[in-house]
Amino acid sequence: GAVVSQHPSWVICKSGTSVKIECRSLDFQATTMFWYRQFPKQSLMLMATSNEGSKATYEQGVEKDKFLINHASLTLSTLTVTSAHPEDSSFYICSALSSGLANEQYFGPGTRLTVT
Amino acid sequence: QQQVKQSPQSLIVQKGGISIINCAYENTAFDYFPWYQQFPGKGPALLIAIRPDVSEKKEGRFTISFNKSAKQFSLHIMDSQPGDSATYFCAASHSGYALNFGKGTSLLVTP
Repeated sequence: GAVVSQHPSWVICKSGTSVKIECRSLDFQATTMFWYRQFPKQSLMLMATSNEGSKATYEQGVEKDKFLINHASLTLSTLTVTSAHPEDSSFYICSALSSGLANEQYFGPGTRLTVT
Repeated sequence: QQQVKQSPQSLIVQKGGISIINCAYENTAFDYFPWYQQFPGKGPALLIAIRPDVSEKKEGRFTISFNKSAKQFSLHIMDSQPGDSATYFCAASHSGYALNFGKGTSLLVTP
């Protein structure tokens, strides 16, 4: 149990285009999901908190108009990187908070974004 | 501001040895302390977690020791194996909120 999937696992896009990343909790409902980004050999940095049915809460320094987050259902959150630039290239990881499993957080496998 | 401090940054242990990674936190409101294991190109996998009402939790070869008064917790990997070679992250949070991660420890277990 407690499986979180992400799609796609990797994506290459051209500068100026938009990319959507999906995060799904497969066997539990998640009212809250989190989006992180991770640069090589670094720790995870929280970008935003996504609550089902409400607006996401962004961390300081994260552009909400650039990183659009939608949490339309209890099992799906999406992150759209708009007008991507090479500096947006990173490893994006979501996690889902399971209220039914002692509030533990389970991470997806990550999405490697490369912007050319 | 780093809310969770993790050490060492890297660790080399011989097969069969004990790997020990330490973390310290500042926020006394934290009540959830998980450890994650991450392999290159993969997302972090929950390894073991503890809450402040217990001082130790063991799952197989992995043990968390928790010292509430010192605001410290550690991960012990017994009988370390080459397959344990990975990056380990400690984290802390108040239940239901985002995790605050340590900077990670790169563990190498030599044959």
